[in-house]
Amino acid sequence: QVQLVQSGAEVKKPGASVKVSCKASGYTFTGYYMHWVRQAPGQGLEWMGWINPNSGGTNYAQKFQGWVTMTRDTSISTAYMELSRLRSDDTAVYYCAREVVAATTRFDPWGQGTLVTVSS
Amino acid sequence: QSVLTQPPSASGTPGQRVTISCSGSSSNIGSNTVNWYQQLPGTAPKLLIYSNNQRPSGVPDRFSGSKSGTSASLAISGLQSEDEADYYCAAWDDSLNAVVFGGGTKLTVL
Repeated sequence: QVQLVQSGAEVKKPGASVKVSCKASGYTFTGYYMHWVRQAPGQGLEWMGWINPNSGGTNYAQKFQGWVTMTRDTSISTAYMELSRLRSDDTAVYYCAREVVAATTRFDPWGQGTLVTVSS
Repeated sequence: QSVLTQPPSASGTPGQRVTISCSGSSSNIGSNTVNWYQQLPGTAPKLLIYSNNQRPSGVPDRFSGSKSGTSASLAISGLQSEDEADYYCAAWDDSLNAVVFGGGTKLTVL
């Protein structure tokens, strides 16, 4: 079945970087855009951007430009999201989600989420 | 402040019908399809409705979606206790060139 499995929880200090992985299985990895969405504790969903696993092309939300990097390794069907210069308000659960049809925001499935805690 | 506006909370008793609204603009809901996500406590969001009113396989027909102009709605009929969750609407925004979400609606089954 189609599945996205993310890497485990991380604890980082302010100013550090974090790299979260998202391993896809059950479908052709290069055939679907991968999006990243985060959710701060008790808050709503915030879109971060997408990567086209086929070309490596990216589109980042304006808020995250210059601050987030999305990459992929097609040989192992894995997408990555790296966030730099972490601050305490970057503490959140980070999700990857496959977009079923491009530019429709139809995300299915979602990864299980990766909790990133930023604390000194 | 979210680009798409949802009521922060909704409630109903078992068996009732509840609706959750999602208001946007011409650059998002007015020109693109709307999707709805259900997030049960402590879990990842799950696709509930896509393309305004389509249900993925496995989603009960108690859940339905509609769209008119720059607004969309999610309706849940025959409310059940397991429907207690957060619900989010989402759409592409042509002006922002971005995915926009509603702020989420917490549904309580009384």
